[in-house]
Order: sequence, then structure tokens, then C-alpha cells
Amino acid sequence: GENVEQHPSTLSVQEGDSAVIKCTYSDSASNYFPWYKQELGKGPQLIIDIRSNVGEKKDQRIAVTLNKTAKHFSLHITETQPEDSAVYFCAASLVNSGYALNFGKGTSLLVTP
Amino acid sequence: DVKVTQSSRYLVKRTGEKVFLECVQDMDHENMFWYRQDPGLGLRLIYFSYDVKMKEKGDIPEGYSVSREKKERFSLILESASTNQTSMYLCASSLNRDDLKTRYFGPGTRLTVT
Repeated sequence: GENVEQHPSTLSVQEGDSAVIKCTYSDSASNYFPWYKQELGKGPQLIIDIRSNVGEKKDQRIAVTLNKTAKHFSLHITETQPEDSAVYFCAASLVNSGYALNFGKGTSLLVTP
Repeated sequence: DVKVTQSSRYLVKRTGEKVFLECVQDMDHENMFWYRQDPGLGLRLIYFSYDVKMKEKGDIPEGYSVSREKKERFSLILESASTNQTSMYLCASSLNRDDLKTRYFGPGTRLTVT
């Protein structure tokens, strides 16, 4: 099955700096890559996703890039703010699989003022 | 807003007890999921259901069972709780089998088995 590796496991940046979280996947057939943010005491929440027919997607300060050849995708957060502090999960799946969303192990991001 | 609610935020049970974790969603979603979340291991799928009375095993079903008698409710059952089932349990739902985007998670239940 699909194996998703996520790095780093912890990341500390200063407010205003950029943060990058990277994931790799093993199944070349995967074609859907969402990112979730989990704040303390809450369930994960979808923040951005990308499909394999697109190389990059941006939503305000958040962007995701996908390299299908290398089988890796990254989350970029620019101008980080303290409220960006959370655990971020990447995931990979087949669009039509319906159920099998394979998650990375998470990155704990800390943005210090 | 979609709401996925879980019956308890914190639960403490003894080894050997039968434990029920309840999850309810209010958006008429077909799919419902149970995950457990452990530090360093991320989210692992225990069971999922794509319709009433239907269930499928996920990656780590051992020691668990599920029940879906009504579309909005999905229960996770620990027949005989053990200490290695101490974890955060997350319920999620999504619209239907073709809609991965709408995977909404509940706030989680932190279960401690002593």
C-alpha cells in the first residue's frame, strides 16, 4: 500500500519567516494530496489540497507544490504567524479510492514571536 | 458548517472493560471513519463505513469493532480494553465514496486505559 513519509517532525521558525514541510509517497498512482492542520484540542482540518494534474496551488499565505516524477510534495507557509503553530499532516490517495487516505506522521510547527 | 461530534472528550477505563466511543455527523454523509492518533505514528485508520450497516477494516482493526445502525452515527467498540489502546481517537466523515475533499474530523476522544 501507499507509504507517506513526512519531514521534519518538528519545526520552529520566527514570526514572519517561511516554513516548509516535505512529504514523499511511494505509490505512483496516487493523485490526490491534501494537507491538514491540527490545533491543540481539535481534530485535523483540511487547509489545502492538490491533484496530480497540477504542479502548484496557492491560497493566500499557503502553497503546495507537487513533483510527480520525484513523488514528493511540499507545504509552504509564508509570513508565518503565531496562530500557524499547530501539527500539520500530509496525506496521499487515489481520487477515486474513496477511503484510503494515507497520512504522514505529522510535523509540529512552532512559530515564535 | 459540517459538524462531527464525539460523545466524550476524555475517557478513563479499566483493563477488560467494554468501551463505546460514539460519533455523530449532521450532514447526511455516507462515509464515516475511525482513526487513532499516537505520537510519532500519525493517524491510522481503524475501520470505516460507506453505508448503514456496512463496515470495512482499515489498517489496524485488531481489538476493535464498529457499529453503524443509522447513517449519522458510527460507534467504535473496544470489546475488552487493554492498556495499548490508550490513545486519541478521531472520528471523521465525508460526503460519499468519490468525495475525499470533505473529510471532516471530530474533536477527538482521549482514552486512557488503566
